[in-house]
Amino acid sequence: ELQLVESGGGLVQPGGSLRLSCAVSGITVSNTYVSWVRQAPGKGLEWVSIIYSAASTYYADSVKGRFTISRDNSKNTVFLQMNSLRVEDTAVYYCARGVGATSWFDFWGQGTLVTVSS
Amino acid sequence: EIVLTQSPATLSLSPGERATLSCRASQSVSSYLAWYQQKPGQAPRLLISDASNRATGIPARFSASGSGTDFTLTISSLEPEDFAVYYCQQRTNWPPTWTFGQGTKVEIK
Repeated sequence: ELQLVESGGGLVQPGGSLRLSCAVSGITVSNTYVSWVRQAPGKGLEWVSIIYSAASTYYADSVKGRFTISRDNSKNTVFLQMNSLRVEDTAVYYCARGVGATSWFDFWGQGTLVTVSS
Repeated sequence: EIVLTQSPATLSLSPGERATLSCRASQSVSSYLAWYQQKPGQAPRLLISDASNRATGIPARFSASGSGTDFTLTISSLEPEDFAVYYCQQRTNWPPTWTFGQGTKVEIK
């Protein structure tokens, strides 16, 4: 059974860094697409980043230059390194598997909360 | 940047009624549109891909249509578990990016 489990969230000060992990089971992470999607408290969904099976990566403008997505094939895990964090980055961060040519998100983790506050 | 506008913001209906949700794109997205359902405290769930294809395990009471800029999600007869927030999502080809609408909350009347 395909499963994604996020970890690494927590409280961090503005300007700080945090690394989120998305442990994937049931599929080889190097053969699929994984995205990060976030949701600020009480708000809607915002796509953040994707890593394709070929390891190409893309980012939303709001995080470009500050966030880096990567993966460790040996651990079947995808990471989101978040630097220069801002108060507006506060959100629940979900990882999700992409399916099909358009990479719609068909399996999601339960999310991990990132709070950026002084 | 393509903006998705969902309407209405809130839909108040009773179980058994028909729900019709709208999603309008600021420019054509062809059929590159999906719909998700999200319940409180849960991750979103994919309902519809490519504008009209039900995802695996999604009941037949969920249907969707549209192309270009105007899309509709219909729930033919609301079940108690259908009261949730629904988001539409589009994908831009290059560079690949995804955006969501602001959501429509379907609440019990």
